[in-house]
Amino acid sequence: GAVVSQHPSWVICKSGTSVKIECRSLDFQATTMFWYRQFPKQSLMLMATSNEGSKATYEQGVEKDKFLINHASLTLSTLTVTSAHPEDSSFYICSVPLAGADTQYFGPGTRLTVL
Amino acid sequence: LAKTTQPISMDSYEGQEVNITCSHNNIATNDYITWYQQFPSQGPRFIIQGYKTKVTNEVASLFIPADRKSSTLSLPRVSLSDTAVYYCLVGGGYNFNKFYFGSGTKLNVKP
Repeated sequence: GAVVSQHPSWVICKSGTSVKIECRSLDFQATTMFWYRQFPKQSLMLMATSNEGSKATYEQGVEKDKFLINHASLTLSTLTVTSAHPEDSSFYICSVPLAGADTQYFGPGTRLTVL
Repeated sequence: LAKTTQPISMDSYEGQEVNITCSHNNIATNDYITWYQQFPSQGPRFIIQGYKTKVTNEVASLFIPADRKSSTLSLPRVSLSDTAVYYCLVGGGYNFNKFYFGSGTKLNVKP
């Protein structure tokens, strides 16, 4: 399976600042990556699909101007939380799908805390 | 998109076999069934995937009846370290579809 990393593993920031989270596919070229958000004791919620070479597609209710996604290369996607607020505090997870296998491999997650 | 339904939680004891059933009545012809395990503050980890009948790997078995409207994840001889949330997902086709997570099943393994 694919090996996926995320950086940073945790971050604390002040309200109003922007935070960038990186997702890297270490051994697989990914034209698509997915971003999820998970609040405590809840399930994962799909936020957006990151597409290499084109704009990301966002799920209903997710503000695209607040959660900026850039798929810079076949191995890197970034999620930037702009003007973060305490309600954005969550666990952010990315995944890399393997075409033809209907399987996704997930990163370790990034814990964001906004003060 | 196929919606999945699982029990919210299950309790077991070390050494027992645990079966977690997932309902997916609207599964499409080309959907696969995949199970993931998630520990607190970690990303989900792939456990097993199947399309029909039975699939077995080194950690689990997956039973899928002929109508594919449900599936059962079987964990043999669980240990305390198997305490986690288990998610059943269905995804379709030769082009991967988005995965929408259900509530998952919190498995509590007791000594």
